[in-house]
Amino acid sequence: GAVVSQHPSRVICKSGTSVKIECRSLDFQATTMFWYRQFPKKSLMLMATSNEGSKATYEQGVEKDKFLINHASLTLSTLTVTSAHPEDSSFYICSAASGRARLSYNEQFFGPGTRLTVL
Amino acid sequence: AQTVTQSQPEMSVQEAETVTLSCTYDTSESDYYLFWYKQPPSRQMILVIRQEAYKQQNATENRFSVNFQKAAKSFSLKISDSQLGDAAMYFCAYRSLYSGGGADGLTFGKGTHLIIQP
Repeated sequence: GAVVSQHPSRVICKSGTSVKIECRSLDFQATTMFWYRQFPKKSLMLMATSNEGSKATYEQGVEKDKFLINHASLTLSTLTVTSAHPEDSSFYICSAASGRARLSYNEQFFGPGTRLTVL
Repeated sequence: AQTVTQSQPEMSVQEAETVTLSCTYDTSESDYYLFWYKQPPSRQMILVIRQEAYKQQNATENRFSVNFQKAAKSFSLKISDSQLGDAAMYFCAYRSLYSGGGADGLTFGKGTHLIIQP
């Protein structure tokens, strides 16, 4: 199956700093990437969808100025948590899908996740 | 908006036995995909099985099978011959069939923690 990597796997930062998380599709071109957030022992919540070369589409309730998403190439998307605070501490997971065709099944391949801890 | 409900926070089964995980969903769409994902302690999401709503036949993948009841909006997962490696969080997920030029994100249920008793 296709491989998606995330970097870093774990990050600890001080309150007020910004943190960048990278999501890469290693062996396929990902026209669409997704960012999910997972609280401890909770479900995954879709934060935003990004298509290569376009602005990200954010889900309701997600602050776009807080969570900056860039999808500059077909293999890389980045999530930047700006001015991070303790309540931003969470597990962030990306997924990637290839293809743009309507009605086609574009399987999403998940990255291993990034644990963010804001002190 | 679609919702996915998993009413069993935790299930326990003896090794080699069969267990069924429940999932219901709510949608106004007629065509969509349903999934079961496994998340072991490593937190890596693993696709277990996929069902297209327009297919009447229940999907099967080795020891994993689903019971898809479209009218009832129910999508349960049956794991036969449970193995220790099946222990994980299991998430039911929904995705629209029609995407506007790209793929759509998944809507997840809250998950069921599956414990395998040796």
